[in-house]
Amino acid sequence: AQTVTQSQPEMSVQEAETVTLSCTYDTSENNYYLFWYKQPPSRQMILVIRQEAYKQQNATENRFSVNFQKAAKSFSLKISDSQLGDTAMYFCAFIGGGSQGNLIFGKGTKLSVKP
Amino acid sequence: DTEVTQTPKHLVMGMTNKKSLKCEQHMGHRAMYWYKQKAKKPPELMFVYSYEKLSINESVPSRFSPECPNSSLLNLHLHALQPEDSALYLCASSQSSGLGYYEQYFGPGTRLTVT
Repeated sequence: AQTVTQSQPEMSVQEAETVTLSCTYDTSENNYYLFWYKQPPSRQMILVIRQEAYKQQNATENRFSVNFQKAAKSFSLKISDSQLGDTAMYFCAFIGGGSQGNLIFGKGTKLSVKP
Repeated sequence: DTEVTQTPKHLVMGMTNKKSLKCEQHMGHRAMYWYKQKAKKPPELMFVYSYEKLSINESVPSRFSPECPNSSLLNLHLHALQPEDSALYLCASSQSSGLGYYEQYFGPGTRLTVT
């Protein structure tokens, strides 16, 4: 069975600084996708970034980037130049190539950006 | 702005009531999902519809009854719920549930309280 582990329940960062959220996963599949979702206090779940396992290049979306280490089954999210609007719960999620849509979430990391 | 809409935003119902949650997406997606999310927890998958057919039912109690009238609409019919069913109910959609199309987009959710 696939699992996703986020070992940091809560983190805080000063505005304009950089923060890294950790995520590890376990799977026997070779083809899969990984995601980071953001859920601000207003509750809407937003897709931040996605990574295909077959791609060696780390995904980047503006201030958000990932460090994907396939052999180590690690998928961390780096947020650069943190902004107050980045305050949210961040969920790491996995979906396997044989899945019919069953997105497996980690327990989440609550990030607070302080002014 | 979300392209997945959900109504109502809030719902309070008694244990003997019958109510329905509605979800609509305007992205031409062919897969739609219902999730249940408790406070400070990740979403839990309930149902997956692919091309308007139910493809996954995660052993959800029969008091929850999904319906997909067409590829843009998803309903969740509620009957004889229990107080522990109080939660945020999220709808999501993706281009399909097949390989390569796993990027799910979430609606804002319906906050359900069962009294």
